[in-house]
Amino acid sequence: KQEVTQIPAALSVPEGENLVLNCSFTDSAIYNLQWFRQDPGKGLTSLLLIQSSQREQTSGRLNASLDKSSGRSTLYIAASQPGDSATYLCAVKPIGGSYIPTFGRGTSLIVHP
Amino acid sequence: SAVISQKPSRDICQRGTSLTIQCQVDSQVTMMFWYRQQPGQSLTLIATANQGSEATYESGFVIDKFPISRPNLTFSTLTVSNMSPEDSSIYLCSVETSGSDEQFFGPGTRLTVL
Repeated sequence: KQEVTQIPAALSVPEGENLVLNCSFTDSAIYNLQWFRQDPGKGLTSLLLIQSSQREQTSGRLNASLDKSSGRSTLYIAASQPGDSATYLCAVKPIGGSYIPTFGRGTSLIVHP
Repeated sequence: SAVISQKPSRDICQRGTSLTIQCQVDSQVTMMFWYRQQPGQSLTLIATANQGSEATYESGFVIDKFPISRPNLTFSTLTVSNMSPEDSSIYLCSVETSGSDEQFFGPGTRLTVL
């Protein structure tokens, strides 16, 4: 059974710092990995989707990498801003079976001015 | 991408009552999913709703408690029946668009059961 772990669980940083959020998974037979952002009490917003054949994806100040062999993905946030404050979740979709993704518990990020 | 709306956005309900949550998508989708997110927890899949067939429920969730309808390719409802305080959660509708591997979520319904 796939297990997804996100470290750290919480992070508080001053504005302007570059950040790395980690997502690890136990089964490397994945179809894709997706990073989401969730504001308090709200739904999830898709940030980046990485297919199993890809190494990284970029969108603006965000860069996500994938290393299947080591079971890891990182989300890099450059020049963090207070508006980046949210919970960031990763979800891993398996190959075959039900194709139902497994979610991590998220990293709660606070960027203070 | 897909734009998803949910109604209601939040509700406070009494124990023993039922609430139906609606999910509307701006495009036709094959797969629709209903998730629950309890306070401080990650997402738990309740069921997968496919048009024209019965929903497929995950372990720990049953149709009598969470009946689902999927009358067409853009709409679904989830009912939380005979509610108890343990049902207090955010309920999220999600879709996977045809031809895309990306998953999209609605804004969620925040349910509090007293």
